[in-house]
Amino acid sequence: AAGVIQSPRHLIKEKRETATLKCYPIPRHDTVYWYQQGPGQDPQFLISFYEKMQSDKGSIPDRFSAQQFSDYHSELNMSSLELGDSALYFCASSLNLRTGSSDEQFFGPGTRLTVL
Amino acid sequence: AQKVTQAQTEISVVEKEDVTLDCVYETRDTTYYLFWYKQPPSGELVFLIRRNSFDEQNEISGRYSWNFQKSTSSFNFTITASQVVDSAVYFCALSEARAAGNKLTFGGGTRVLVKP
Repeated sequence: AAGVIQSPRHLIKEKRETATLKCYPIPRHDTVYWYQQGPGQDPQFLISFYEKMQSDKGSIPDRFSAQQFSDYHSELNMSSLELGDSALYFCASSLNLRTGSSDEQFFGPGTRLTVL
Repeated sequence: AQKVTQAQTEISVVEKEDVTLDCVYETRDTTYYLFWYKQPPSGELVFLIRRNSFDEQNEISGRYSWNFQKSTSSFNFTITASQVVDSAVYFCALSEARAAGNKLTFGGGTRVLVKP
């Protein structure tokens, strides 16, 4: 079965550089989520999109932005990178119904970002 | 605000022993969803189980079972006859019932080490 695809899997950047992470959800899934997991920590919700519109926002820095495109893939753009941005970034997708059902979120393998 | 607490940071067992992971949650929502995810050393997040707040029936799925008690806001998870491959960090998570984009709030995780 198709899974969530994230690219790149590993990324090394210098401080103050920019980075773009990509996420391709499971086919037919209409909702994409981004999470950040620091070393030894639990995943923290950043932002989500439903049908290409932002649906919720968490603790996402102003230096970060994201969007979901017409083909449902999503990109997380990170600017002015800081050492503290080093983390594992997960994308997840789900099929959410207007009735309020919360289908399980399927996670991608993650992108490990290292900021030097 | 939602909160998930996993009091056990690490559990070490010998293979074939049972392991029970505790999870306590807080939410003001009357309808919500509870999840367990597994994160093996390779880093990916693997969905295990989901329960709706209005369904307190406890079930067994293979070596996994769970005990959902709404009265005590607990959602405990048990691995029966543990195996070395069960070694991982296990996260309990909570999401509210919304039309779309139901973000997950994770607990701090419990690291399970199964020794041969």
